[in-house]
Amino acid sequence: NAGVMQNPRHLVRRRGQEARLRCSPMKGHSHVYWYRQLPEEGLKFMVYLQKENIIDESGMPKERFSAEFPKEGPSILRIQQVVRGDSAAYFCASSPGPWDRLNNEQFFGPGTRLTVL
Amino acid sequence: EDKVVQSPLSLVVHEGDTVTLNCSYEVTNFRSLLWYKQEKKAPTFLFMLTSSGIEKKSGRLSSILDKKELFSILNITATQTGDSAVYLCALRNAGGTSYGKLTFGQGTILTVHP
Repeated sequence: NAGVMQNPRHLVRRRGQEARLRCSPMKGHSHVYWYRQLPEEGLKFMVYLQKENIIDESGMPKERFSAEFPKEGPSILRIQQVVRGDSAAYFCASSPGPWDRLNNEQFFGPGTRLTVL
Repeated sequence: EDKVVQSPLSLVVHEGDTVTLNCSYEVTNFRSLLWYKQEKKAPTFLFMLTSSGIEKKSGRLSSILDKKELFSILNITATQTGDSAVYLCALRNAGGTSYGKLTFGQGTILTVHP
């Protein structure tokens, strides 16, 4: 059973370009979470999605950032018009449903390191 | 807003030493507290704690939660160089639509010298 897959592992973009980060959850997992880790800081929650639904986006910046988890295919975190401050490691995690299971731990992917020049 | 504070921020020890990492928290509606180990890649799950006073143990690692005093500790005995990593404490809230997200502390950087 493959773990959480993220691609690309490293992404370099120039200011103003778009960045698309992909996350394939573990097989059987329908809950996906995105976190951002800025240099020298801890992981910060961004968004929580189930298939075709955004459940909690309280950690998403109001502009330029969007996320989706379609019925088929990976979850996508999209950053439009990137700026230098977007440079960070973006981690995706997945968990099995339903949400109220006591042992509902999150499994993390290897992350995508975004560098904005 | 939920808050997680870890201490110390960094720790340097020698192989064979025992270390204790601390995690204190403030939360409106506690669900669980989790510990992760991060070695320049994906955080890997160590423990999930939901009840006070029950020690979770895995090899040389153990952890316990105190819901009255709002803290948890992670102990590592007989440390090895392979234990060098960032140890993350995370809080899971049970309320409303925030039940999915984890609130992380800033991490403790552990360095174990031979």
